[in-house]
Amino acid sequence: EPEVTQTPSHQVTQMGQEVILRCVPISNHLYFYWYRQILGQKVEFLVSFYNNEISEKSEIFDDQFSVERPDGSNFTLKIRSTKLEDSAMYFCASNGEAGALRNEQFFGPGTRLTVL
Amino acid sequence: AQSVSQHNHHVILSEAASLELGCNYSYGGTVNLFWYVQYPGQHLQLLLKYFSGDPLVKGIKGFEAEFIKSKFSFNLRKPSVQWSDTAEYFCAVKAAGNKLTFGGGTRVLVKP
Repeated sequence: EPEVTQTPSHQVTQMGQEVILRCVPISNHLYFYWYRQILGQKVEFLVSFYNNEISEKSEIFDDQFSVERPDGSNFTLKIRSTKLEDSAMYFCASNGEAGALRNEQFFGPGTRLTVL
Repeated sequence: AQSVSQHNHHVILSEAASLELGCNYSYGGTVNLFWYVQYPGQHLQLLLKYFSGDPLVKGIKGFEAEFIKSKFSFNLRKPSVQWSDTAEYFCAVKAAGNKLTFGGGTRVLVKP
């Protein structure tokens, strides 16, 4: 069964450094998402992406964040200058096969980001 | 803005007991409703979903949920749990747009 994959599973970085989190969505999906979960808190929506542009973003998704689909398979989340409060589990999700109704979102296993 | 609340943070029960997890949302318009499960060390997986039609929906692994529009609720049930149901359960709502709004999650521990 096709799955969303994410790399790395765990990323440790120093405050102020740039990080890129990578996701490979399910191959025939068209809609891509990033969510995050700070330890002990709710899973929060960050951004959705369709047709090579951001379709929706939350207040969390400020200028420090960006997303990109650099090729036909990868979907990346970049944090330009990490802060301590960016430490969280970041989940990628995808849905929406061509020609099908938008459906449930399929989640990847997450990348745990630790900012020191 | 829409919000989702799950009543219990932690539930502990024995095998064969019945499980009901509460979920309420605040949004006045049309919603799509989901329950996701996260088993230890695994990613979020869909248990069941409601888009329209019969408000009683059946999902995988013997789970079901009932959408009660008047109560803004979408409670998850399983008549007889197993040790393998130990996991964290998340209720989620999709209203306007495509984003999911999640509840805080309920950790369920089933004692053998």
